[in-house]
Amino acid sequence: GAVVSQHPSWVICKSGTSVKIECRSLDFQATTMFWYRQFPKQSLMLMATSNEGSKATYEQGVEKDKFLINHASLTLSTLTVTSAHPEDSSFYICSARSVSPGRQPQHFGDGTRLSIL
Amino acid sequence: AQTVTQSQPEMSVQEAETVTLSCTYDTSESDYYLFWYKQPPSRQMILVIRQEAYKQQNATENRFSVNFQKAAKSFSLKISDSQLGDAAMYFCAYTADSNYQLIWGAGTKLIIKP
Repeated sequence: GAVVSQHPSWVICKSGTSVKIECRSLDFQATTMFWYRQFPKQSLMLMATSNEGSKATYEQGVEKDKFLINHASLTLSTLTVTSAHPEDSSFYICSARSVSPGRQPQHFGDGTRLSIL
Repeated sequence: AQTVTQSQPEMSVQEAETVTLSCTYDTSESDYYLFWYKQPPSRQMILVIRQEAYKQQNATENRFSVNFQKAAKSFSLKISDSQLGDAAMYFCAYTADSNYQLIWGAGTKLIIKP
């Protein structure tokens, strides 16, 4: 149980295009989802927290107009990288808040490798 | 503010030997959770072990065990009988947040020598 599916796993696109990444909770309702960015050999950096039906809360320094987050249902959150440029190339990971923190606080997707040419 | 510190960027161990990864944290909370996550080259995030702060007993999961020192705010991970499959990045993480937001350490790259 508690599976989070993230799609696509790898995307390559041209500079200037927009890219949408989907994060779905397959067998549970995710009231809260998290979006992370991970640079090579570094830790996970929280970009934003999204709650179903409300606006996402962005971390300091994250451009909300660049990284659009939508959490329209209890099973789906999306991250859209708008007008992507090579500096947006990175590994992006989503996760969904668990029901109980003692077992596992967040259930993670397998990540998306984004390459902007 | 809560912080998590992993002071070892890289560790190496001979296969079948034991290795300990260090983690310290800073918090003013009394009730919280600590975790060790493994991230292999596939980049999946895999929960290795968890510790509830109110529990005095150190958590163990097969070859993985922790040394939880609450007063010292220390949470080290011991891997016994290291295997090649243990090679990965290991992240220490903390949460006391009602949203279960995790605070992450910088990570330790573990190399297993055959």
